[in-house]
Amino acid sequence: GESVGLHLPTLSVQEGDNSIINCAYSNSASDYFIWYKQESGKGPQFIIDIRSNMDKRQGQRVTVLLNKTVKHLSLQIAATQPGDSAVYFCAENYSPSAGYSTLTFGKGTMLLVSP
Amino acid sequence: DTAVSQTPKYLVTQMGNDKSIKCEQNLGHDTMYWYKQDSKKFLKIMFSYNNKELIINETVPNRFSPKSPDKAHLNLHINSLELGDSAVYFCASSQNSGFQETQYFGPGTRLLVL
Repeated sequence: GESVGLHLPTLSVQEGDNSIINCAYSNSASDYFIWYKQESGKGPQFIIDIRSNMDKRQGQRVTVLLNKTVKHLSLQIAATQPGDSAVYFCAENYSPSAGYSTLTFGKGTMLLVSP
Repeated sequence: DTAVSQTPKYLVTQMGNDKSIKCEQNLGHDTMYWYKQDSKKFLKIMFSYNNKELIINETVPNRFSPKSPDKAHLNLHINSLELGDSAVYFCASSQNSGFQETQYFGPGTRLLVL
């Protein structure tokens, strides 16, 4: 299930289950969205992205859904594996002017996968 | 073949000291960034340089001074370190600063100020 811990929301799943991680973004003018995975002691690693003119994009075992009406993004991981255990961040990209964009990160969700 | 590298990985120092963190990318990117990640894992942009020129400077104390000697390097110098500076600092790079660019992150520098 999903719970709010002291620091990060945490999602605990069993190996083989499908996982869904949700994110609410803040800026309706954001035009590009990225999901990052951060394993313990490492930097954020790019997983998948989606542009604002799309509502769904699929990768290998991962799918990102974008609902611009409610400013919501989700990451679905199929057949979750113990190696998927990490903190997942959504990030929204906003371009206030030509040649310049800024990336704002969400708070992160910890995914714990039990064997 | 590390794409974005940072040194040192760990840095433990006393309050009031001055320290530097170095970052290098071998991706041929034009734009580099510094982020700070606090104890609650919140990631916030500090600075961004495009082709050695500062383009983003968020509300960061002026004790923090980035320097980009060339577009493959972006260093961060911190003067008069304070306890609240303890965090993980990440360097990142992207092809350029424009529209819908993916950022690639380094492994982080864990700074502890005592």
